[in-house]
Amino acid sequence: GAVVSQHPSRVICKSGTSVKIECRSLDFQATTMFWYRQFPKKSLMLMATSNEGSKATYEQGVEKDKFLINHASLTLSTLTVTSAHPEDSSFYICSARRTSGSIDIQYFGAGTRLSVL
Amino acid sequence: AQSVSQHNHHVILSEAASLELGCNYSYGGTVNLFWYVQYPGQHLQLLLKYFSGDPLVKGIKGFEAEFIKSKFSFNLRKPSVQWSDTAEYFCAVNAHGQNFVFGPGTRLSVLP
Repeated sequence: GAVVSQHPSRVICKSGTSVKIECRSLDFQATTMFWYRQFPKKSLMLMATSNEGSKATYEQGVEKDKFLINHASLTLSTLTVTSAHPEDSSFYICSARRTSGSIDIQYFGAGTRLSVL
Repeated sequence: AQSVSQHNHHVILSEAASLELGCNYSYGGTVNLFWYVQYPGQHLQLLLKYFSGDPLVKGIKGFEAEFIKSKFSFNLRKPSVQWSDTAEYFCAVNAHGQNFVFGPGTRLSVLP
């Protein structure tokens, strides 16, 4: 079964509105979660690394004021797309990092398809 | 910095054909290696992983991958593909404590 839950799976919004996407690790605590963006027929593009209890680390070229990340607990990270515009339409995917001893695996959420009208 | 390359952008095979998808990485130290699969309309799923030990790793659905340290490679193989294997396959690498780096992906189309 799924170990990472992402919600909503699809959202359609008007230009200028904000959209919040949730990412939850279901049966483990994740001190680190990641947010990716996937363009059609392209690979994953890492947007930011979300660390529980501290500020997110954004990749170069990603606007931190536009893509707000909050990782308030060990099982929940949220991505808020503020003042969304049509060019923000994309598929957003989160993942949670599970580490135990030498084990280090990322588990992915099902993704959120954002369409900005 | 780490990087991951995948040899093929798009592979088209007939059912029962054998599959090998190439993956090479650049990093001199100890790495963990992964193959993820994304079926059409679905999320990324872990196919198999290598942390240490036997360099030949067996995953789900009959897939296997071989880690060849001297070649910095982690190629994915399946002796006989099925139509249901049609998907996008991503190779990923991470060094201990560092971020994952994904390859650009290889689209596999299996013709019935």
